[in-house]
Amino acid sequence: DTAVSQTPKYLVTQMGNDKSIKCEQNLGHDTMYWYKQDSKKFLKIMFSYNNKELIINETVPNRFSPKSPDKAHLNLHINSLELGDSAVYFCASSQVQGAVQPQHFGDGTRLSIL
Amino acid sequence: AQKVTQAQTEISVVEKEDVTLDCVYETRDTTYYLFWYKQPPSGELVFLIRRNSFDEQNEISGRYSWNFQKSTSSFNFTITASQVVDSAVYFCALSERNFGNEKLTFGTGTRLTIIP
Repeated sequence: DTAVSQTPKYLVTQMGNDKSIKCEQNLGHDTMYWYKQDSKKFLKIMFSYNNKELIINETVPNRFSPKSPDKAHLNLHINSLELGDSAVYFCASSQVQGAVQPQHFGDGTRLSIL
Repeated sequence: AQKVTQAQTEISVVEKEDVTLDCVYETRDTTYYLFWYKQPPSGELVFLIRRNSFDEQNEISGRYSWNFQKSTSSFNFTITASQVVDSAVYFCALSERNFGNEKLTFGTGTRLTIIP
């Protein structure tokens, strides 16, 4: 069983379009994240949600809007796509408890803007 | 602010050699957690280890070992008798304890190539 699953795996689209990436986790975790990995492999947090509530928003443009319908899902909607949005987007989840727990990552969504 | 530095951008070694990947971190917190993740060519991120700031014991898991030294703010990773399957990008990461506001700050990664 896949613990953290993202769809689609690849997304190729034109500049200016709107697109969504879906993420689901079946680990029972209460916190989910979105990270962006650029072409140089640098990984940076974008958002985190805890029990459907936005916790972290790391100065990401307003064109990016995360939505968490329940604690097992965290989707990412991107408006007016730009060339600089081309990257691999990773969803992750963890359980927040006494100690900081490892984050478990999905396989990533490779977004290419033409 | 927290920061992780992986000074080695790329390393190549011949199979069966030992290799150490360096990680140096900066944080103002006394409670923090360090991680290593592996990203093979297939692209997924695989969790390898977590260490908290109060536990400086070295850890060994098969061919992998980790050396945590608070005095030098380092958390180095050694692969013994390397194999081709170890070829990947390895990331060191840091998380401060922030009561629900935890986030991973990653280093820039070290690309390890094992030559058969």
